[in-house]
Order: sequence, then C-alpha cells, then structure tokens
Amino acid sequence: KAGVTQTPRYLIKTRGQQVTLSCSPISGHRSVSWYQQTPGQGLQFLFEYFSETQRNKGNFPGRFSGRQFSNSRSEMNVSTLELGDSALYLCASSFGGGEEKLFFGSGTQLSVL
Amino acid sequence: AQRVTQPEKLLSVFKGAPVELKCNYSYSGSPELFWYVQYSRQRLQLLLRHISRESIKGFTADLNKGETSFHLKKPFAQEEDSAMYYCALSRGGAQKLVFGQGTRLTINP
Repeated sequence: KAGVTQTPRYLIKTRGQQVTLSCSPISGHRSVSWYQQTPGQGLQFLFEYFSETQRNKGNFPGRFSGRQFSNSRSEMNVSTLELGDSALYLCASSFGGGEEKLFFGSGTQLSVL
Repeated sequence: AQRVTQPEKLLSVFKGAPVELKCNYSYSGSPELFWYVQYSRQRLQLLLRHISRESIKGFTADLNKGETSFHLKKPFAQEEDSAMYYCALSRGGAQKLVFGQGTRLTINP
C-alpha cells in the first residue's frame, strides 16, 4: 500500500510570507501528526490531528496551525514566516490508538530567505 | 518536563563488534519508549518499542526505570546497521513523541 505522501518536497519562501504543506496518510489511518526537524533542535512535535480534531499540541507559536479533512488528509500552515522556520517538516500517520507505530513521510524541506 | 538524551552524536564500531547506543530519559510518569531509525535516503521508521519486548534485526532494548535508561544493543554489528538512530518517549499515546538528538552509527568493515 502507498506510504505517507507529503507535498511539495521542497519550498523556498521569503520572510513574512505564509506557506501550506500537505500530508496524505496511509489509507485507513485517522491520525496525522507533524514534526519539525532542524540541525539545532532536532525533531520537535508540532501537533496531532485525529478525526478532524486537534488532539495534541506542542510548544510552537500560534503562527503554526493545521487542520485535517474528512478523508484524513492534513495540511499545516505557517504564517508570517521567519528565518528560523527553515526546517524539514515531517508528517506521520497511524490508526490513532495508543502506543502505535508511526509511519513517516519523506518530509517537506522549507527554506525561508 | 519530558526529555530524552542521547549522549553520543557519533558512534563508530567494527563489523562483528557489539553495539550499544545510549538513551536516558526524564519523565515523572510511566513512559512509552521507542527506537526509530533512518537509513541513508530512507524515511524515519520504527525499529522497536519497549512494550513489545521484541528483537528486530538483532537489536534489543531494555527499559531500566531505576536508571531511566533505554539503551539499544546488538551483539554483532553488521554494515547494514549504519544509520541514524533516535530514541523517543511518549506520554498519552504514541502520536506525541519527544525525540533525542540522535546518534549516527557507522559500522566499519
């Protein structure tokens, strides 16, 4: 079966712009979570959506937001981009129960100039 | 606060030698611990989780609550084990993970 698909693969934006990243989970998975990966901070949890509702949230400013659609696809939005938002953004999906294996996408590499 | 520490950024061993990747955590409750691995040009993937008490690709990890550790071990390293390894902790479900900084393991022939 198809894996987790993230689009686009690469993005270049300038400071102050906003960006939307997309994630299509594995068929049947209802949970989608997002992580930011940077060389300095490593992998950090952004938020998780389950059945169109945000179920968990990390410690990121309100400029970072997300949503999930009825088909479980998820989007992440970052407004008023800052240079420090340059990172690899990873999406992961699972069925949504506890202690489950997460399946990760290849990520979207965002560069903010 | 939850924290995961992997003290070694880089670890290099020879093929056939034992491997131990260290992971220490801080968490006041009962954590769920995981090891994730990323091979070259592949996605991040689950290697093993402590609740399963399983051995994957010859790797094992034991949760030591007294020492708050979850070290990953393999008795005989193979070249295909070269990868980036991340220890992770979760609370309240596996979807919210706290990751360590990772250890890059290199197996020399």
